[in-house]
Amino acid sequence: DQQVKQNSPSLSVQEGRISILNCDYTNSMFDYFLWYKKYPAEGPTFLISISSIKDKNEDGRFTVFLNKSAKHLSLHIVPSQPGDSAVYFCAASPTGTASKLTFGTGTRLQVTL
Amino acid sequence: KAGVTQTPRYLIKTRGQQVTLSCSPISGHRSVSWYQQTPGQGLQFLFEYFSETQRNKGNFPGRFSGRQFSNSRSEMNVSTLELGDSALYLCASSLAGTTAGNTIYFGEGSWLTVV
Repeated sequence: DQQVKQNSPSLSVQEGRISILNCDYTNSMFDYFLWYKKYPAEGPTFLISISSIKDKNEDGRFTVFLNKSAKHLSLHIVPSQPGDSAVYFCAASPTGTASKLTFGTGTRLQVTL
Repeated sequence: KAGVTQTPRYLIKTRGQQVTLSCSPISGHRSVSWYQQTPGQGLQFLFEYFSETQRNKGNFPGRFSGRQFSNSRSEMNVSTLELGDSALYLCASSLAGTTAGNTIYFGEGSWLTVV
């Protein structure tokens, strides 16, 4: 039972354009959501998070949007840079156990010149 | 400040053996959790320790265990290794781990190969 889903395994975007990565979840107990960037054989690097009391959070080039009614979140990267090429994971945790993350399967982003 | 440190980074073990992995959290962080990443199952939560007590547990068999010391450093142990235990084992730390907004930081991982 995949409670966090990233339906696009890969995404290719031109440098300077917007990258939009999507994530859906099914567990209504999830109230904290995070995005991580990961390179092979390395640990995930934290990018940005959002609590369920918000619908948007920005940090530099990264913005996360949360649509609770649709159980959907998205990560926008503007402008995309070649160094953004990596696998992006969304993760969610339930109320009161923020450290117990359920991860999606990841989306491989390639930013081309 | 120093990040989450995991040792060893790479190791090879034989089926039936046991292995112990170590994790030093970010200074001041009291919650340490462990994850397993495999190509087939993705990133999966193993367990979390806080103040030397296991606070949350994932769906892994009893061969997977862990502990936390008074300085918040943690170890995880896998006994009777199976080929399917080959994976990247990730340690993560956070301040308290219970509330939203409590950012979770990961180490570089320990890459275990079972032959």
